[in-house]
This record gives sequence, structure tokens and C-alpha cells, in this order.
Amino acid sequence: QVQLQESGPGLVKPSETLSLTCAVSGYSISSGYHWGWIRQAPGKGLEWIGNIYRSGITYYNPSLKSRVTILADTSKNQFTLKLSSVTAADTAVYYCGRVDWTFDYWGQGTLVIVSS
Amino acid sequence: QSALTQPPSASGSPGQSVTISCTGTSSDVGGYKYVSWYQQHPGKAPKLMIYEVTKRPSGVPDRFSGSKSGNTASLTVSGLQAEDEADYYCSSYAGSNNVLFGGGTKLTVL
Repeated sequence: QVQLQESGPGLVKPSETLSLTCAVSGYSISSGYHWGWIRQAPGKGLEWIGNIYRSGITYYNPSLKSRVTILADTSKNQFTLKLSSVTAADTAVYYCGRVDWTFDYWGQGTLVIVSS
Repeated sequence: QSALTQPPSASGSPGQSVTISCTGTSSDVGGYKYVSWYQQHPGKAPKLMIYEVTKRPSGVPDRFSGSKSGNTASLTVSGLQAEDEADYYCSSYAGSNNVLFGGGTKLTVL
């Protein structure tokens, strides 16, 4: 059974970099599939952030591309989201998931609030 | 690229059927087989209900079905049950390694 768990600070100051990690169990991220991030602002819909493939190839939402970096650490079977220059508009629940242009497994999500 | 268009709300009585639409363009919904539907209960992570337009993951009741015609995909829930009350989101591959989501539909079981 594939399981994903997000972790990271729940509070980030404006203009700083948000950093979240997704730990994967039950499947090796180097074996295949893409691994991605989605976010959901309070009371709003889902927004795709980006994916990383086992080879390290990344794909990002064009609207966030200039601020997003996704990295994979295959030795720890985890991948990381970094979002720079955050503002209040980046306040959201952030989910990680396994992707095949469909998110079939999801983490439980972690709330990140951007505030001074 | 704009979000896919879903009605904000839908409703039905127990036992009835309800269909939720998801409208895009020929560059996303109409152009690819990668249309998915997700169910989200309050405070919970989304759950995959339909993938590749019509396929159901293991464990999803066959009351849930998907279809597509042109640039519009649809999710039909038959034999509505109280536990089907949730938000539903569609998504589609949109080319150039992009993914689009719909704005979500709140399904109410009357």
C-alpha cells in the first residue's frame, strides 16, 4: 500500500521560501511514476503545482514556474517542494501525491499559513 | 490556461442519479484520455474516483461512472447515498506536461 506523508513548517513569513517534504512508503519513487504537489487555498479548489519524474525531470504549473522547485531524494524515498517569495496568496493546504497525469495516491495534506 | 468549468453545485435525493459536467477545450479535455474525477469530504484529502475518462480504481463503487463527449467530461453518480455528499473535482492533462483542475462541484444529497 502506497502511503505519502507531508511535513514542514506550518507558518512561513512573507517573502521567505516555503519548504515541504513528502515521505513515501510502500513504493520506491525511483521505480516509476511521477510524484507531485497540489495545493488548496482555504475554501477554494485544487491547483496543480508540479511533478517530478524518477529521472529528475520536472514539470511545473506555468503560473508558479518562476518560484517553484521540486527535488527528489531517492536514498530517503522522498521529494521536496520549495516555493520562493511567498505571499498570503500562497496560504493553502499542500498535498503530495503519486501521479500518472492522475493523482492516484495522496498524502493527508499539510496547512501552510503565510503570515508575519 | 484557464481552469476547467464545473457547476458550483448539484443535488439529488437518495436513490436518484446526478451528473456533474466538466467543460474544457480541445487542448485539454477534448484532446486527451487523461480526465480524472476526485471526491473530497470536508477536511479530507481528495480521493480518486475515475481516471482515464471511464476507469474506476479498485474499491470505488460502480455507482460512479465517467464519460466524455467532445470537450465536456461527465461524472454520473447513480443510486445516490448520503455518503456521496462531498465536493467533486475534475482534472485533465492539458498538454505540454500541464494539468488543469475544475473549480469543483458541491454535491448535496437531499
